[in-house]
Amino acid sequence: DAGVTQSPTHLIKTRGQQVTLRCSPKSGHDTVSWYQQALGQGPQFIFQYYEEEERQRGNFPDRFSGHQFPNYSSELNVNALLLGDSALYLCASSLSGAETQYFGPGTRLLVL
Amino acid sequence: GEDVEQSLFLSVREGDSSVINCTYTDSSSTYLYWYKQEPGAGLQLLTYIFSNMDMKQDQRLTVLLNKKDKHLSLRIADTQTGDSAIYFCAERKGQNFVFGPGTRLSVLP
Repeated sequence: DAGVTQSPTHLIKTRGQQVTLRCSPKSGHDTVSWYQQALGQGPQFIFQYYEEEERQRGNFPDRFSGHQFPNYSSELNVNALLLGDSALYLCASSLSGAETQYFGPGTRLLVL
Repeated sequence: GEDVEQSLFLSVREGDSSVINCTYTDSSSTYLYWYKQEPGAGLQLLTYIFSNMDMKQDQRLTVLLNKKDKHLSLRIADTQTGDSAIYFCAERKGQNFVFGPGTRLSVLP
């Protein structure tokens, strides 16, 4: 049984570009959350998707948007990249109503 | 305060016990978690506890909760070199998990 998977593993972009990150949840899970982890810090909640809609959002600008597909997989899109967007982006999946969420290995984004 | 807080560093000798501490913010009922992150990897769920419990034990891991002081601790018995990692405390707020800054545990031979 595959756990949470993310692609790509690493990505380099330049300021002003746009990026799309992908996540496939653990089998049987229907909820996907995205986190940003800057170097040396804990993960910060970006948003959560359930039933193809954004259910809750953290304190991130509108440049950060997402999508969830009917198969529960999800994308995170970031527009107009800034140097400060360089971070590890983590996806976590869960079954709605469950206590726990499980994280993928992350996508490391470097913005030059 | 509004943040989950942790001490940033802990160093122990192999075979000793490690105790990692955390203070959280929400006085209402909630779930509290410990995650482990190894270099270049995602977060691995170690254990979690509901805030109406005082203690939870799972093999070498013991979680203690002092609800009055909003203090959570993780004790690792017989610490091994493979336990070297960053440990994050998190509290659940709605659909969001709020994480502390992480404690870097170094295990010395």
